[in-house]
Amino acid sequence: DVKVTQSSRYLVKRTGEKVFLECVQDMDHENMFWYRQDPGLGLRLIYFSYDVKMKEKGDIPEGYSVSREKKERFSLILESASTNQTSMYLCASSLVAEYNEQFFGPGTRLTVL
Amino acid sequence: GQQVMQIPQYQHVQEGEDFTTYCNSSTTLSNIQWYKQRPGGHPVFLIQLVKSGEVKKQKRLTFQFGEAKKNSSLHITATQTTDVGTYFCAGPGYGGSQGNLIFGKGTKLSVKP
Repeated sequence: DVKVTQSSRYLVKRTGEKVFLECVQDMDHENMFWYRQDPGLGLRLIYFSYDVKMKEKGDIPEGYSVSREKKERFSLILESASTNQTSMYLCASSLVAEYNEQFFGPGTRLTVL
Repeated sequence: GQQVMQIPQYQHVQEGEDFTTYCNSSTTLSNIQWYKQRPGGHPVFLIQLVKSGEVKKQKRLTFQFGEAKKNSSLHITATQTTDVGTYFCAGPGYGGSQGNLIFGKGTKLSVKP
């Protein structure tokens, strides 16, 4: 079974802190994605990566950066956390092709105080 | 930009009643995927539709892809409490050949026993 794991289920940080969210997949998928999920807004794509060291901005990249140094690992970085970044963050992976399903991790509930 | 609209946002049904959620795109889709997210869980892939007019069934769930490949629906017959959750449709996003998806905002289904 494909497994996507995220470093934390719950995280509480203070405004201005640098925050790292890590995602690891074990199925050799080329694509990896970071979404945030907020009530009423659905899943919004922050960044995605289709290869090591490659990244593409999604719909809401402002305030975030990403890193993909290894194929299995995709990190989301909040350089200076703000309260409006309090959200559920979901990582996903897939094979690179138009018709492939995405496999999601369990999510990280981030609260910024 | 490309959008995937999903209605209704919420649906409350009595156990045993039917349920339908609708998905509409502003552009023709090469395929559409459906996901289910249980309360407290993460989105899980249900199915993918590719052909114009395609109909697929999974037990009590029926998925349809419109003739023009701009709309889709998910119908659940005789809902059960296990159907509770949020159902998302998703179509290929920009750079669609890379596997990027645009998600609808989801329909949250609650089922009263």
